[in-house]
Amino acid sequence: AQSVTQPDIHITVSEGASLELRCNYSYGATPYLFWYVQSPGQGLQLLLKYFSGDTLVQGIKGFEAEFKRSQSSFNLRKPSVHWSDAAEYFCVERGNEKLTFGTGTRLTIIP
Amino acid sequence: KAGVTQTPRYLIKTRGQQVTLSCSPISGHRSVSWYQQTPGQGLQFLFEYFSETQRNKGNFPGRFSGRQFSNSRSEMNVSTLELGDSALYLCASSLGDGRYNEQFFGPGTRLTVL
Repeated sequence: AQSVTQPDIHITVSEGASLELRCNYSYGATPYLFWYVQSPGQGLQLLLKYFSGDTLVQGIKGFEAEFKRSQSSFNLRKPSVHWSDAAEYFCVERGNEKLTFGTGTRLTIIP
Repeated sequence: KAGVTQTPRYLIKTRGQQVTLSCSPISGHRSVSWYQQTPGQGLQFLFEYFSETQRNKGNFPGRFSGRQFSNSRSEMNVSTLELGDSALYLCASSLGDGRYNEQFFGPGTRLTVL
């Protein structure tokens, strides 16, 4: 069965520090992967997506993600976080029928 | 272009009642999917509609149903509400169905069942 794992439930980083959120997927040889962000009480906003091609993808708000097939990973990174990045982040895989969401990583930013 | 809109944004119901939630997709989008988000279960797929036909369905009881109209607007209905149905219900629209269509999410409807 399709599954997405985000091992970190909650991460706290200082403003200006770098960030890496981990994600492992399980479905298929050609995964279609996304990172979404959800601010409190809001819907989901797409940060970036990967289907094929370059394994390093750039997204909005200065985020990037690297696809590593050998590790079944699709980690999200940002070189310097801002207080406005505090939110919940979801790694998502699109299968043939539906989106499968990871459990999410809640990001807290400390000044 | 306007985004996905969901109405109402907040809803309070009591056990045993039924509820209908509405979703208007982005103009030109023909596919609408619904998701339930709860603290315990996370985000789970409910169903997907394309051109008024249900294409896929998640693992939810028959109390959860939906439909799509000819203008692509969609409704979902939950009958005989239970406390565990309290959740944020998210709607997403895409141009088409299938794997390669990016989904755009609405702000959600927060349902509280008392």
